[in-house]
Amino acid sequence: GIQVEQSPPDLILQEGANSTLRCNFSDSVNNLQWFHQNPWGQLINLFYIPSGTKQNGRLSATTVATERYSLLYISSSQTTDSGVYFCAVDEKLTFGTGTRLTIIP
Amino acid sequence: GAVVSQHPSWVICKSGTSVKIECRSLDFQATTMFWYRQFPKQSLMLMATSNEGSKATYEQGVEKDKFLINHASLTLSTLTVTSAHPEDSSFYICSARDSRGAFFGQGTRLTVV
Repeated sequence: GIQVEQSPPDLILQEGANSTLRCNFSDSVNNLQWFHQNPWGQLINLFYIPSGTKQNGRLSATTVATERYSLLYISSSQTTDSGVYFCAVDEKLTFGTGTRLTIIP
Repeated sequence: GAVVSQHPSWVICKSGTSVKIECRSLDFQATTMFWYRQFPKQSLMLMATSNEGSKATYEQGVEKDKFLINHASLTLSTLTVTSAHPEDSSFYICSARDSRGAFFGQGTRLTVV
């Protein structure tokens, strides 16, 4: 099956910093989504982005489908951004390995 | 819109008993729902795909007789963990989809003692 790797696995930043999270996938996909899992386990849908670029407030995402990767940008980080960020691909939503983000006040 | 409600949020049960978890799409209809399991500090692993009015499709390695899935209506899917054992303790999450993407329930933390 398709392999989905995310980097970095862990990221600790000061409040206000910017960050870039990466998602690499092993095969072409028709569906790619980014999620934020908060400390209570709830998954929040951030972007549906099989290709191109989207922005929503301090967050933006870019997927380069031909090169099999997607990037999630978080600007001006806040403590509420802490949690685990997952990308997931294809109809069955195969999840990546995740990036655990910790924002320090 | 796109609210998915999962119940219960957490449950503790004795080894050998069965536990039922409900997943409801509150404001949209979902012909397909998905059930995932997540162990601590790990990613989500798909267990099965639940289709309204038909049998669920299980992923390789998931015991269909142990994890019973019923999708009785366009807004409700249930997962029953039968004869639960401590190794079944995990975080179970359901997902319902429509044209806007996938939306997740809040998850159920199951502890089998």
